[in-house]
Amino acid sequence: GQQVMQIPQYQHVQEGEDFTTYCNSSTTLSNIQWYKQRPGGHPVFLIQLVKSGEVKKQKRLTFQFGEAKKNSSLHITATQTTDVGTYFCGPYQGGKLIFGQGTELSVKP
Amino acid sequence: DSGVTQTPKHLITATGQRVTLRCSPRSGDLSVYWYQQSLDQGLQFLIQYYNGEERAKGNILERFSAQQFPDLHSELNLSSLELGDSALYFCASSVGGTSGTEWYQETQYFGPGTRLLVL
Repeated sequence: GQQVMQIPQYQHVQEGEDFTTYCNSSTTLSNIQWYKQRPGGHPVFLIQLVKSGEVKKQKRLTFQFGEAKKNSSLHITATQTTDVGTYFCGPYQGGKLIFGQGTELSVKP
Repeated sequence: DSGVTQTPKHLITATGQRVTLRCSPRSGDLSVYWYQQSLDQGLQFLIQYYNGEERAKGNILERFSAQQFPDLHSELNLSSLELGDSALYFCASSVGGTSGTEWYQETQYFGPGTRLLVL
């Protein structure tokens, strides 16, 4: 079945450093969605990418969908303690949202 | 606050028992999704309902069942519980729509979850 792999699984950064997480699929995706889950919280939708090579920005967050639509990335510039949480990616296909394992980000002040 | 409500917030029960988790979607949303989140399996899609009908199925065990009622709230029934069923169960909702045979790629709004502990 459809699977996406996220790397890294964990990332510890100093506040102010940049952070990137990658989402990789062996098959072409029609779309990719990104969610953030704070510790003890529930997943919250961040963004959806649909077009090949698409890049979208939300303040310090930059989301990218690969040209082949097989991978995606989330880059956070100058991390803050409010960025702490687990970031999930996955395609929404056939009524299913198939999440990767997530990347857990911790930020040291 | 996403607008999706789930009850109960916590549930402690014993192996072999049966429990029912309840979800009320956001006002106006027709689709309800159930997910299981455990430490070793991550966030797993279980099942989706749209306007009362099952629309998509994921890794849902035969011991688990769900339904969506005319008022659009949904219940997830877990029976013959095992220790490994201990997890956080999320419900999500979306507007729900179709374009031919393809579903709109929609934002899902997650509820706060029900934490189930099977002892």
